[in-house]
Amino acid sequence: DTAVSQTPKYLVTQMGNDKSIKCEQNLGHDTMYWYKQDSKKFLKIMFSYNNKELIINETVPNRFSPKSPDKAHLNLHINSLELGDSAVYFCASSQPGADTQYFGPGTRLTVL
Amino acid sequence: AQSVTQLGSHVSVSEGALVLLRCNYSSSVPPYLFWYVQYPNQGLQLLLKYTSAATLVKGINGFEAEFKKSETSFHLTKPSAHMSDAAEYFCAVSSNQGGKLIFGQGTELSVKP
Repeated sequence: DTAVSQTPKYLVTQMGNDKSIKCEQNLGHDTMYWYKQDSKKFLKIMFSYNNKELIINETVPNRFSPKSPDKAHLNLHINSLELGDSAVYFCASSQPGADTQYFGPGTRLTVL
Repeated sequence: AQSVTQLGSHVSVSEGALVLLRCNYSSSVPPYLFWYVQYPNQGLQLLLKYTSAATLVKGINGFEAEFKKSETSFHLTKPSAHMSDAAEYFCAVSSNQGGKLIFGQGTELSVKP
């Protein structure tokens, strides 16, 4: 059973398009995260939701909008895609606080 | 504010040799420290974590790390490298105030036959 799943695994699109990445966890965790890994493999937090409520927004452009329909899902919608958005996006989940975060397999986004 | 520095973006060892990956942290509150491993084209997998219990932490696949407050370090070691250990390793710090992970730059471990 996959603990944290993401779809799609690969996403290739043109500049200016709008795209979404979906994330689901079946671990019963209350907290979910989105991280971005750039081409140099540096990982940075983007958002965190606790029980459907946004608790961390790390100065991410407004073009990025997370949505949490329930505590098992955290989707990432990106408007007006730019070349610099090309990266691997990881979803993660944990219990609240500093507990272990479990990561999904990642979504490699390529903007042409 | 919290930060992590991993010394050495690339480490190469021979199979059977000691693995030492260095991590230093900065934190104004008691830190929670983690080592994650990332195999090519995969997500991150937890190797081990320190959460203020024992300072020597044992993890999966024979890895361990020692928390040294005086040196603000949390270096990762393995006595004998295996070819399957070749991967990217990330040190990360968190606190009990929000839970977000702050990652180091990563260290790529290569294992030579």
